[in-house]
Amino acid sequence: QKEVEQDPGPLSVPEGAIVSLNCTYSNSAFQYFMWYRQYSRKGPELLMYTYSSGNKEDGRFTAQVDKSSKYISLFIRDSQPSDSATYLCAKGKTSGSRLTFGEGTQLTVNP
Amino acid sequence: SQTIHQWPATLVQPVGSPLSLECTVEGTSNPNLYWYRQAAGRGLQLLFYSVGIGQISSEVPQNLSASRPQDRQFILSSKKLLLSDSGFYLCAWTRDNYEQYFGPGTRLTVT
Repeated sequence: QKEVEQDPGPLSVPEGAIVSLNCTYSNSAFQYFMWYRQYSRKGPELLMYTYSSGNKEDGRFTAQVDKSSKYISLFIRDSQPSDSATYLCAKGKTSGSRLTFGEGTQLTVNP
Repeated sequence: SQTIHQWPATLVQPVGSPLSLECTVEGTSNPNLYWYRQAAGRGLQLLFYSVGIGQISSEVPQNLSASRPQDRQFILSSKKLLLSDSGFYLCAWTRDNYEQYFGPGTRLTVT
């Protein structure tokens, strides 16, 4: 079993839709969680990070963590064509340590 | 502010040739540095990480090696490239926090 499992996609939605991207993890030692956005042929860009259960909101993006069920989600409201990218979830154990990544979900937002 | 550079951006090399990819970080000191490889449509595979000059940890056995000759410089090398070494190589850094930041990447094609 992989340490981090991510919904494989690809996912295609119309502009303005609410998008839900999901990951599960198996190792309860993970302490913090991140979402990266990667445009084609570019390096991943950090979107959000959190280290507690609950919701964290940043503009149209909301990261949700449920440590009891080892489940994390990223919600995108009012999705835009510019949100079309691959989204990677990542988990870490301690500050400055290595991250474990999911394989990414490719999202296309159609105008 | 911190900046991470990688070069070259694109590289086409024949099988059996040597490889040297360079990564440098500006605006911070004593960062943790990472090399990842991303195959087409796949997640990130951690290859090497370094917590200081001359300190390298290898995550995956392969014909690649890494070196850290200076505090903010990280080099990925190979003596003889294989076809399977093709991919997108990403350098990342972090310091005394949770966030890991990526460079723009080097796209390597081995022919």
